[in-house]
Amino acid sequence: AQTVTQSQPEMSVQEAETVTLSCTYDTSESNYYLFWYKQPPSRQMILVIRQEAYKQQNATENRFSVNFQKAAKSFSLKISDSQLGDTAMYFCAFRPRNQFYFGTGTSLTVIP
Amino acid sequence: KAGVTQTPRYLIKTRGQQVTLSCSPISGHRSVSWYQQTPGQGLQFLFEYFSETQRNKGNFPGRFSGRQFSNSRSEMNVSTLELGDSALYLCASSLELAGTASLAKNIQYFGAGTRLSVL
Repeated sequence: AQTVTQSQPEMSVQEAETVTLSCTYDTSESNYYLFWYKQPPSRQMILVIRQEAYKQQNATENRFSVNFQKAAKSFSLKISDSQLGDTAMYFCAFRPRNQFYFGTGTSLTVIP
Repeated sequence: KAGVTQTPRYLIKTRGQQVTLSCSPISGHRSVSWYQQTPGQGLQFLFEYFSETQRNKGNFPGRFSGRQFSNSRSEMNVSTLELGDSALYLCASSLELAGTASLAKNIQYFGAGTRLSVL
């Protein structure tokens, strides 16, 4: 079975600090894509960052970066210089051959 | 370019009724997926349509069905509604079918969702 686990249901971080959200997944496939999506209180799901499993280099998008450990099946998201607008639910997802699999989400609150 | 549009945004139904939700993908996107989102469960995959054909299906009962039209617009239907069907239903579109193309073509773009309440 292919699963995604986000072990931190809720997290908080002080504004301007750095926070890391964890994600592990389980799959027997070797080729897949990994994503982090953000869902602010307004509900629209937005892509934050993406990673191809065959690329060893970790993806970076401005203040967002990932730590991808393929052997450990781990895909954590680091948010640097946290801003109030980062307050949202964050979902880790991966897409092997047939469909997307999402975790249950981590609710992140940025404290002023 | 317009994003993914879902209508209606809110629905209130009673048990036993049926409901139809609509999704218009981003122009040029051929794949449409549907998800059920409930607190604590995350996003549960319902099904994916591509070229008017259901290509992938999640683990939901047959009361949940869908279809896709030639213009890639999709509808989802839930018959004989149950209280447990209350959820946010999200639609997502991508350029291509899951796993068949490059990373960029696999990215899913989501609509704002339809909030269904079953009383």
